[in-house]
Amino acid sequence: QKEVEQDPGPLSVPEGAIVSLNCTYSNSAFQYFMWYRQYSRKGPELLMYTYSSGNKEDGRFTAQVDKSSKYISLFIRDSQPSDSATYLCATVFGGFKTIFGAGTRLFVKA
Amino acid sequence: DAGVIQSPRHEVTEMGQEVTLRCKPISGHNSLFWYRQTMMRGLELLIYFNNNVPIDDSGMPEDRFSAKMPNASFSTLKIQPSEPRDSAVYFCASSPTSGGYNEQFFGPGTRLTVL
Repeated sequence: QKEVEQDPGPLSVPEGAIVSLNCTYSNSAFQYFMWYRQYSRKGPELLMYTYSSGNKEDGRFTAQVDKSSKYISLFIRDSQPSDSATYLCATVFGGFKTIFGAGTRLFVKA
Repeated sequence: DAGVIQSPRHEVTEMGQEVTLRCKPISGHNSLFWYRQTMMRGLELLIYFNNNVPIDDSGMPEDRFSAKMPNASFSTLKIQPSEPRDSAVYFCASSPTSGGYNEQFFGPGTRLTVL
């Protein structure tokens, strides 16, 4: 079992839709959870992070962690074509070792 | 700041050749990471440096892979000899600190093709 599992998609939605991206993780000791966004032929960039359980909102993006079920979610409201990218969930182990999910490819159609 | 700089951006080489990838981290960042990304295995950490010292190289796949960080502004990842299965995108990333959520700033990557 991988430490972080993520459905690679692809996920295709119309512009304006609400997008839900999800991951599961195996180690209950993980505390920090991040979402990175990677545009085609670019390096990943940090989008959001959360600590422990709960929600965090930043504009159209909401990150949610449910530690009881080891479930990580990213919601995108009013999705735009510019949101088309690969979204990678991640967690940190040992203070430096970032473990990434496989990434979900998202396409937002105009 | 220009961000993390990697060179070359693309490298095509033949099996058995030596390949050297280069990275300049963001000034002031004391952590540096080398990753490999493939469709099959996703983004994998190869090696982590802190203050120019290799801390964890457990992700380096074989002895054919080596990495150095001679100073705070330069690192290399070398593959000798290269094999077709080494074909991947190699990313360098730097971070201003370790611990916490450890935000990493990635370079544009080097796309390596070994024929």
